[in-house]
This record gives sequence, C-alpha cells and structure tokens, in this order.
Amino acid sequence: GAGVSQSPSNKVTEKGKDVELRCDPISGHTALYWYRQRLGQGLEFLIYFQGNSAPDKSGLPSDRFSAERTGESVSTLTIQRTQQEDSAVYLCASSPAGNSNQPQHFGDGTRLSIL
Amino acid sequence: RKEVEQDPGPFNVPEGATVAFNCTYSNSASQSFFWYRQDCRKEPKLLMSVYSSGNEDGRFTAQLNRASQYISLLIRDSKLSDSATYLCVVNHMGRRALTFGSGTRLQVQP
Repeated sequence: GAGVSQSPSNKVTEKGKDVELRCDPISGHTALYWYRQRLGQGLEFLIYFQGNSAPDKSGLPSDRFSAERTGESVSTLTIQRTQQEDSAVYLCASSPAGNSNQPQHFGDGTRLSIL
Repeated sequence: RKEVEQDPGPFNVPEGATVAFNCTYSNSASQSFFWYRQDCRKEPKLLMSVYSSGNEDGRFTAQLNRASQYISLLIRDSKLSDSATYLCVVNHMGRRALTFGSGTRLQVQP
C-alpha cells in the first residue's frame, strides 16, 4: 500500500484480556516504530525495530507489552492482561532506514479502549 | 523536565494573522528537528523538517537556534485549514525514535 496501515482501527475489550495490534509499514521501510498517545497528551515512544530486531525497547511500560516484527514487514504489538490505563491510540510509524535525519510516516492508529 | 517543551495554547487567531510557536529541547545532542501537524483524532503528519539555516515552505517558516536550544514555527496569512495541533519533534544520535512535544493547539477563526 501507499502508506502505513494499522489494524484494527478500533478495539474495545474487557480488562484482563489480551490484545494484538498490527502494523504494515510502507514497503521498503526498514525502520518501524510504535508509539502510544493517551487522550489529550503527547506521543510516548514504545519500541523501535530495525529490520526484525529491536535495538530500542526502552519505552515499553511493563512486561505485559511485547512486540515482534517479521523481516522488514509486518509488526504486531501485544498487550497481555490489559488494564484500563492501557486505553490510548497506538500509532505505528516507519521510515526508510533508522536514520535520525529521516522523518517518520504514521499510520492512522488503533484506538484501544479497555472497559 | 520534559525533553521537548511547548506551550499547549490554544492560540486563537483571526484568518490572515501571523502566528509563531516556540519549542525548547533539553538534550544538546539533538540532531534532527521537525514540525508535525496533528488534526483532531488523526495521526501526526510531517509538516516540515527544520534546518540550521532556517527554511521556508510557502507560508511556513521554521528556525533553529542551537545555542539556545529552541525551534520556532511561523505561519503567515493563517487559513482556517491551519487549525490543528503543531508538534515539535526532535531526535538525537543515540536514539532512533523521535521525541515529541505535547503540541501547541492553533485555532484560526473566521
């Protein structure tokens, strides 16, 4: 596709359930990033992939959060035993390489609501 | 102290006005700077990169002051469609992910 694609666009689930969010980056982009944005707040970095390795996981808030990436394509972010404070928009971005000079292109996000 | 600080606003300006936003960053090793725009309930979109010499894109001018560690965005002849939240974004060599400010909200009024 032309841009970063995320699915689902919306997810409502009960507290304690596991959720899996998917990101399909722009074709050819080797770098992939996950961010979280709570209502009315700025973006928080979660994890960065270069290819299928994750050199920076420093933003993952707890061990309930994990992510993986297959090659240089799809990534999934998994949240286990969801809590209400996990409610947020989860945004994925990609860039051609993990070069700090290059801007990142964002998907539309997954709006996660934990009841 | 936040790594990137912005005045949250809102800035309410009439159409045609000139408005400027500033942003300060704390990490002197920051190397790349951007302004992103985020519309309500939408994803952030790149507005422009910010270069040391300053750069202009139509009605938008970005400036970087490394000595004082601040970045500015000037919007001339504001349009209703400029209403959005403007995110100041920095990056530094040791970290690939971008660091976002919380944004400055602009409301252009008819």
